[in-house]
Amino acid sequence: GESVGLHLPTLSVQEGDNSIINCAYSNSASDYFIWYKQESGKGPQFIIDIRSNMDKRQGQRVTVLLNKTVKHLSLQIAATQPGDSAVYFCAENRMDSSYKLIFGSGTRLLVRP
Amino acid sequence: ETGVTQTPRHLVMGMTNKKSLKCEQHLGHNAMYWYKQSAKKPLELMFVYSLEERVENNSVPSRFSPECPNSSHLFLHLHTLQPEDSALYLCASSQVASSPPYKNIQYFGAGTRLSVL
Repeated sequence: GESVGLHLPTLSVQEGDNSIINCAYSNSASDYFIWYKQESGKGPQFIIDIRSNMDKRQGQRVTVLLNKTVKHLSLQIAATQPGDSAVYFCAENRMDSSYKLIFGSGTRLLVRP
Repeated sequence: ETGVTQTPRHLVMGMTNKKSLKCEQHLGHNAMYWYKQSAKKPLELMFVYSLEERVENNSVPSRFSPECPNSSHLFLHLHTLQPEDSALYLCASSQVASSPPYKNIQYFGAGTRLSVL
C-alpha cells in the first residue's frame, strides 16, 4: 500500500552539530513534499517544502533533499539548537488530490546541550 | 501564532457526554481539516471541507459529527465517545488549488487534548 515512512524514530545530536532526518516514500505520483515540526504541546508547524521537479531546496538553517530514484527525502538542520528539539514529519502531496496529505510517522529529534 | 485557533485546549468527558470542538482560521483559506493524532501513529485524516462542502470522510464513526458553517469556522461535535477516542484532535486549514500542481501546505492549530473516561 501507499505510505510515507521514517527510518529512525529517535535521533539524538549534540548542540551545534548538523542533523539529518530521513523519510522514505513509496508512491512516485506526488507534486510536493513537505516537512513539519511539532513541538510538545503544539500542532505541526510548516518548515519547508520541495516540488517533485527539484533535487534540493534551502531555507534558513534547513535544507531538504529529494532523491526520486530511491524515493527518499531528507531534512538537514545546520548547527542544531535546543529549540530544534521536536518531532519532525514528512508529508506527501499527491498529484491526484488537491487537499490530501499523506504523513509519515515522525522522527523525534533530541538535542543534547 | 499559526492563524488557526482551536478551543478548548483540553477536554475531559465521560462516555455519555456531548461536547464540541471549535476551530477558527484567520488565513483566508478555502479548505479546513480535522485530524486525529494518537501516540505513535501517523496523523489520521478524519474530515475535509473544501469551500464549506465536505469532500472527504475517512470512515469515521458517527459519534464524530463535523460542521462547517462558513470558510473560517469548523466544529467537531462529539457524543457517546469511547476511551479509545482519547487523542489530540488537530484542525488545519489550507488554500487548495483548483488544478495541478497541488501545493497544499496545511497550517495547524495547537490541538485539543481529549480524554474520554
